[in-house]
Amino acid sequence: DSGVTQTPKHLITATGQRVTLRCSPRSGDLSVYWYQQSLDQGLQFLIQYYNGEERAKGNILERFSAQQFPDLHSELNLSSLELGDSALYFCASSPGQSDTQYFGPGTRLTVL
Amino acid sequence: AQSVSQHNHHVILSEAASLELGCNYSYGGTVNLFWYVQYPGQHLQLLLKYFSGDPLVKGIKGFEAEFIKSKFSFNLRKPSVQWSDTAEYFCAVNEAGGSYIPTFGRGTSLIVHP
Repeated sequence: DSGVTQTPKHLITATGQRVTLRCSPRSGDLSVYWYQQSLDQGLQFLIQYYNGEERAKGNILERFSAQQFPDLHSELNLSSLELGDSALYFCASSPGQSDTQYFGPGTRLTVL
Repeated sequence: AQSVSQHNHHVILSEAASLELGCNYSYGGTVNLFWYVQYPGQHLQLLLKYFSGDPLVKGIKGFEAEFIKSKFSFNLRKPSVQWSDTAEYFCAVNEAGGSYIPTFGRGTSLIVHP
């Protein structure tokens, strides 16, 4: 157990819908990272927040957004969902901005 | 931009066999290197990392990796695998002093037969 929690574990929804994935970092960690893992693209970095502020952006679509709240938990919002958004979404946390990342169990999103 | 190549997509071994998984990266500057493991149904866990110093790094569960700067490689090794090593293995690289966001390889699926 890494100490990073993610909810829900599984999510099944329809195209065009909007979902919110939640991540609670390890106690004391200020950085939260979101990744998408799919069979054809591998593990892709989406976005990083540090102490409530966006710090780095990767291959995140405009339909996706994220935020980190004062209690340091983070949410990833995915809207206008497409079939190709079906993937595992991982959250990771680290104490600072350059430390080793600790990964959560992931949320498996299925878009039908 | 960095890229990470893991040449072995699928590896099948018998217990007690030796393991070497290849990882090559493309980036000319100073890098930090990682190997993560993802057991079936579980999250990614850090196996080992290299930031500086001795290029031979020892990690958990008997794994080690050697950083060869001239070859841009960071291969993972284990002298004798066990059935419980069945998992997906990911190599990752980030730019030391840069954004620190790691670039991951596509992963290598290892199956160990008892």
